[in-house]
Amino acid sequence: NAGVMQNPRHLVRRRGQEARLRCSPMKGHSHVYWYRQLPEEGLKFMVYLQKENIIDESGMPKERFSAEFPKEGPSILRIQQVVRGDSAAYFCASSPIGLAGDREQFFGPGTRLTVL
Amino acid sequence: GESVGLHLPTLSVQEGDNSIINCAYSNSASDYFIWYKQESGKGPQFIIDIRSNMDKRQGQRVTVLLNKTVKHLSLQIAATQPGDSAVYFCAENESTGFQKLVFGTGTRLLVSP
Repeated sequence: NAGVMQNPRHLVRRRGQEARLRCSPMKGHSHVYWYRQLPEEGLKFMVYLQKENIIDESGMPKERFSAEFPKEGPSILRIQQVVRGDSAAYFCASSPIGLAGDREQFFGPGTRLTVL
Repeated sequence: GESVGLHLPTLSVQEGDNSIINCAYSNSASDYFIWYKQESGKGPQFIIDIRSNMDKRQGQRVTVLLNKTVKHLSLQIAATQPGDSAVYFCAENESTGFQKLVFGTGTRLLVSP
């Protein structure tokens, strides 16, 4: 039973380029979450999606960042016109179809974005 | 606003000792808490969770204690091993929310052989 998959594991972009981060949730999971982690800091929530729906994007920057979770395929976190401050580790987590009280999230290995 | 914080950024222990990692939270509406372990270059790994209707929960070599009166959470690791060396995060969730986890800044546990 494969866990949460993320690719690429490492991504290097120059300022102004676009970054696309992919996340495939665990089998049977229809809830996906994206978090960002700066060095020596905790994870910060960005966005929560279900298939074809953005449920909570309260942690997403208003500009340049977008996320989707299409009916088919992985969830995508897209960062346009990257700046050096976007350099961070981006983690995806998934959880099963929500059951009462079942709120554990399983994390992927992360994508480490470096902006030159 | 919501926040979760930790008292000790780094904890150094000897192999075989018991370790205690502390966490304070500020959202009194939070009713679910998780401890994660994160090794270098990896994603957070679930250790143990606890719901607000409990004060204590035990797993294999780990115990989580919850004190809702002072909004404090702790993780106890018995007979700490070198493989336990990692950064440990507490995270909180409010059931009326959308499963968004609020993470603390983390405590680095260093275990010497």
